[in-house]
Amino acid sequence: KQEVTQIPAALSVPEGENLVLNCSFTDSAIYNLQWFRQDPGKGLTSLLLIQSSQREQTSGRLNASLDKSSGRSTLYIAASQPGDSATYLCAISRGGSRLTFGEGTQLTVNP
Amino acid sequence: DAGVIQSPRHEVTEMGQEVTLRCKPISGHNSLFWYRQTMMRGLELLIYFNNNVPIDDSGMPEDRFSAKMPNASFSTLKIQPSEPRDSAVYFCASSLARDTEAFFGQGTRLTVV
Repeated sequence: KQEVTQIPAALSVPEGENLVLNCSFTDSAIYNLQWFRQDPGKGLTSLLLIQSSQREQTSGRLNASLDKSSGRSTLYIAASQPGDSATYLCAISRGGSRLTFGEGTQLTVNP
Repeated sequence: DAGVIQSPRHEVTEMGQEVTLRCKPISGHNSLFWYRQTMMRGLELLIYFNNNVPIDDSGMPEDRFSAKMPNASFSTLKIQPSEPRDSAVYFCASSLARDTEAFFGQGTRLTVV
């Protein structure tokens, strides 16, 4: 069974800091990996999707990397802002579209 | 596009009552998903439709849960009878095709008392 782990569970940083969120998965036979953010009481917002054949994807201040062989992905956030405060979730697809989610990292960026 | 639209946003019902959650996927998307989110279990896939056909319903907890997709622009998730342990946030998501980027609705927060 595919398991997805996110470390740390919570992270608090001062504004302006660069930070890295980690996601690991047990089965390297993935189809793609997707990063989401979830604001309190809201739905999930898709941030980045990395296909299994890709190593990284970038969108603005966000950069996601994927290392299938080691079963790891990282989400790098540059120059963090208070508006980045949210829970960040990674999810794995093994094909067939079912997403398996990690438990998330709750990020707080302090002004 | 308005994104994935779910209704209602909040639902409070008494144990034993029937509950129907509704979802309108993004126009043109062929895949639709129902997820449930709880503190204890996180996000779990309940059922997945492709081209209006249920493909994977292995996550549906029990016979009290049923889902339909009568057309490409509408899906329902029904719980009958509802129980307090069904209290959770239910999300609908859609994607353009299999294994492409998934877009989520705002969710329905269900409370069964």
